[in-house]
Amino acid sequence: DAGVIQSPRHEVTEMGQEVTLRCKPISGHNSLFWYRQTMMRGLELLIYFNNNVPIDDSGMPEDRFSAKMPNASFSTLKIQPSEPRDSAVYFCASSPFSSGRRYNEQFFGPGTRLTVL
Amino acid sequence: AQRVTQPEKLLSVFKGAPVELKCNYSYSGSPELFWYVQYSRQRLQLLLRHISRESIKGFTADLNKGETSFHLKKPFAQEEDSAMYYCALSGPDEGGSEKLVFGKGTKLTVNP
Repeated sequence: DAGVIQSPRHEVTEMGQEVTLRCKPISGHNSLFWYRQTMMRGLELLIYFNNNVPIDDSGMPEDRFSAKMPNASFSTLKIQPSEPRDSAVYFCASSPFSSGRRYNEQFFGPGTRLTVL
Repeated sequence: AQRVTQPEKLLSVFKGAPVELKCNYSYSGSPELFWYVQYSRQRLQLLLRHISRESIKGFTADLNKGETSFHLKKPFAQEEDSAMYYCALSGPDEGGSEKLVFGKGTKLTVNP
C-alpha cells in the first residue's frame, strides 16, 4: 500500500490563480482530513470528512477555500483566488473508522508545498 | 475549546543526554493525548498515545491530569531522534465534533 497519496508535491503559482490540491486516501479508510502547516501557526485542521460527508469545516480560513470528496477514494482542496499568505504545506490524512472507538490513528500523506507569488 | 501548547519551538541536546519535550493542554472533558513525529523527508506519523501506556523507540509519555500535561521523555537521546515532534489532543468540542488538535511542534536536534 502506497499510503495516502497527494499531488502535486510542489506547486508554485501567482497570486489570483486557482490552485487545486488532490488526495487519495488509504483504501478502506472512512475519514479524511485536510491540514495546513505554517511556521507561525503550526499544523491546523482545515476540514474533515466521514464517509465522504464534510463533518467539520470550521478550520477553513475563508470562502476562497473549498474542499470536496466526490467518492471514497478522492478528495480535492481548492483555493480560488490564491494569495501569498496561502503559502504553506498542505497535508491530507486518512483514518479508519471503528464503531465504539473515539479516535483512530491518522495516516498522513507527504504533503503539497504551495508557494503563491 | 481544546488547546495544546508546546512551549519550546526548538530543543537541542547531546547524544546520550535525557530529553523531555513539554506539552500542556486545555480541555474540559476527558481527552486522548498523542505524540506524532516527523523525521526529515518522511511523513508525519503517530509515535505513541497515552491510552496505550507503551514505550516506543525508548520514548514514554505520561498523562498528568492534575497538571494537564503530557510530556514526552527519553532517558538517552540518539541522533536518529532528531525530528519535529507534535503533541495532539482528541476530544469532542462544543459542537460535538471529534477532531485532532495539534500543538505547534518542537524541533528536536540531537547533537553527536
